[in-house]
Amino acid sequence: EDQVTQSPEALRLQEGESSSLNCSYTVSGLRGLFWYRQDPGKGPEFLFTLYSAGEEKEKERLKATLTKKESFLHITAPKPEDSATYLCAVQATIQGAQKLVFGQGTRLTINP
Amino acid sequence: GAVVSQHPSRVICKSGTSVKIECRSLDFQATTMFWYRQFPKQSLMLMATSNEGSKATYEQGVEKDKFLINHASLTLSTLTVTSAHPEDSSFYICSARYGRAWDTQYFGPGTRLTVL
Repeated sequence: EDQVTQSPEALRLQEGESSSLNCSYTVSGLRGLFWYRQDPGKGPEFLFTLYSAGEEKEKERLKATLTKKESFLHITAPKPEDSATYLCAVQATIQGAQKLVFGQGTRLTINP
Repeated sequence: GAVVSQHPSRVICKSGTSVKIECRSLDFQATTMFWYRQFPKQSLMLMATSNEGSKATYEQGVEKDKFLINHASLTLSTLTVTSAHPEDSSFYICSARYGRAWDTQYFGPGTRLTVL
């Protein structure tokens, strides 16, 4: 069964304290892994797509990396405005249809 | 970037009533629209996939008679929760995709449904 597990569930950091969020996945034939940011009471906002092991993508203070079993979202010198829930999703084939399977998210809080 | 809107953003209704939620792609034509449900501190769960002009495909365990989806045009999809009950209270999020690639999918802001 295709599964996505994110850790930790919640993370509190001080402003400027770098860290990483983990997304472990089990999927037969990865066709894409996606990172989203979700603010409270809002829909997810697309951040990155990664397609193959070894691929990396960066955007401001965020950098996403991918291996054959997991992806990391590295946050460098975060600011309070980076506080949000970060969701990971994988593209999977379920009953013949392409779908996104989401992890439960990591709630990130950056204290000033 | 592409914009997807949802209306209403919040709705409170009495048990047994029906509620309609609209999802619109404002600046692109969506070949496919999706409806998700999200419980507090949980992930997004896909409810159904709809293509313009055809019947929606529901995920296993989602009652199609309870959650009616209509995708009447390339920019509008509606979700009607019929005979709502308190257990239907949740955050409903739609998304619209204009191409085949999943990075052409954009999410709406969500609708918070509370059934009393």
